[in-house]
Amino acid sequence: AQKITQTQPGMFVQEKEAVTLDCTYDTSDQSYGLFWYKQPSSGEMIFLIYQGSYDEQNATEGRYSLNFQKARKSANLVISASQLGDSAMYFCAMRGPFTGGGNKLTFGTGTQLKVEL
Amino acid sequence: GAGVSQSPRYKVTKRGQDVALRCDPISGHVSLYWYRQALGQGPEFLTYFNYEAQQDKSGLPNDRFSAERPEGSISTLTIQRTEQRDSAMYRCASSLVGGTNYGYTFGSGTRLTVV
Repeated sequence: AQKITQTQPGMFVQEKEAVTLDCTYDTSDQSYGLFWYKQPSSGEMIFLIYQGSYDEQNATEGRYSLNFQKARKSANLVISASQLGDSAMYFCAMRGPFTGGGNKLTFGTGTQLKVEL
Repeated sequence: GAGVSQSPRYKVTKRGQDVALRCDPISGHVSLYWYRQALGQGPEFLTYFNYEAQQDKSGLPNDRFSAERPEGSISTLTIQRTEQRDSAMYRCASSLVGGTNYGYTFGSGTRLTVV
């Protein structure tokens, strides 16, 4: 069974600083995908970034980057130059292999990020 | 449509009543997923469809929960004989193909409260 662990229930960061949100995962599959989603107070789920298990380079999307350490089974999200609008709940999620019913996402419990002036 | 549309946005029902939650995915999206999110928790998988075929229903908590997507587009999640523990946000998501690398587009959800 797949499992996602986010050990930081809450994080604070100063505006314009960088912040790392931790995510570790557990799977016996060789092929899998890792996602990060942002959920602001409005409740919507916003896709941020994706990393495939076979991708050799860390994924980046604008101010978001994913620090993928496969041997340690970690997929931390790094947000650079934090903005007030980054205050939200952040979820790490994993999708299993394409075969064997791997389309469902398994989510972590989330990290509540607050950006301060 | 432009996004994933869910209705109703809010539903309050009395314990023991049946409820039907609707999801209208992005036009052309093959895969449709249902998740349930308790307050302060991450979404929990319920079931998913490719076209009209239900591919995985392993997350449905019990036989009071069922889902259908008869024409491969709109889907309905039905909860029979609702209980207070069913209160949660129910989210639908769709993707162009199964397991897309570019994420899944989520709807705004239906907040179900069972009183």
